[in-house]
Amino acid sequence: DQQVKQNSPSLSVQEGRISILNCDYTNSMFDYFLWYKKYPAEGPTFLISISSIKDKNEDGRFTVFLNKSAKHLSLHIVPSQPGDSAVYFCAASAGDSNYQLIWGAGTKLIIKP
Amino acid sequence: ETGVTQSPTHLIKTRGQQVTLRCSSQSGHNTVSWYQQALGQGPQFIFQYYREEENGRGNFPPRFSGLQFPNYSSELNVNALELDDSALYLCASSSGVREETQYFGPGTRLLVL
Repeated sequence: DQQVKQNSPSLSVQEGRISILNCDYTNSMFDYFLWYKKYPAEGPTFLISISSIKDKNEDGRFTVFLNKSAKHLSLHIVPSQPGDSAVYFCAASAGDSNYQLIWGAGTKLIIKP
Repeated sequence: ETGVTQSPTHLIKTRGQQVTLRCSSQSGHNTVSWYQQALGQGPQFIFQYYREEENGRGNFPPRFSGLQFPNYSSELNVNALELDDSALYLCASSSGVREETQYFGPGTRLLVL
């Protein structure tokens, strides 16, 4: 039972354009969502997060949008840069078990020059 | 500030053996979580330790056990290894049990033959 789903295993985007990575969840108890980026041979690195009381959070080139009614969140990267090429994971936690992050399978983002 | 470190980086074991993986948390962090990441999947939560006590556990059998030491470093022990235990094992530290932003080490790649 996958509570967090990233349905696109990979995504290819031209440098300078917008990258949009999507994530769907099924558990309505999730109240905090995070995006992590992972390079090969490294652990995941925290990128940006959003609480369920918000619908948008922005940090530089990265914006996360949350649509609670659709149980959907997305990560926008504008403009995309070659260093953004990595695997992006969406993760979620519920208020009664903040310690346990539930992760999606990841989306591999490839930025083409 | 020292980041999260893990040892060893790679390990090969045979079925039925036991293994111990080690993690040093980031300076100032008192909480350590362990994850298993199988190929092509997102990390799966194994358990979390807070101030030397297990603070939560995912859906893993008792042959997965852990320890946290007074300096907040941690060990993951797996007994009676099975082929399906082959995975990347990630350790993450955070500044508290309710801190969702976790900082990951590079992981230990375990292969069980």
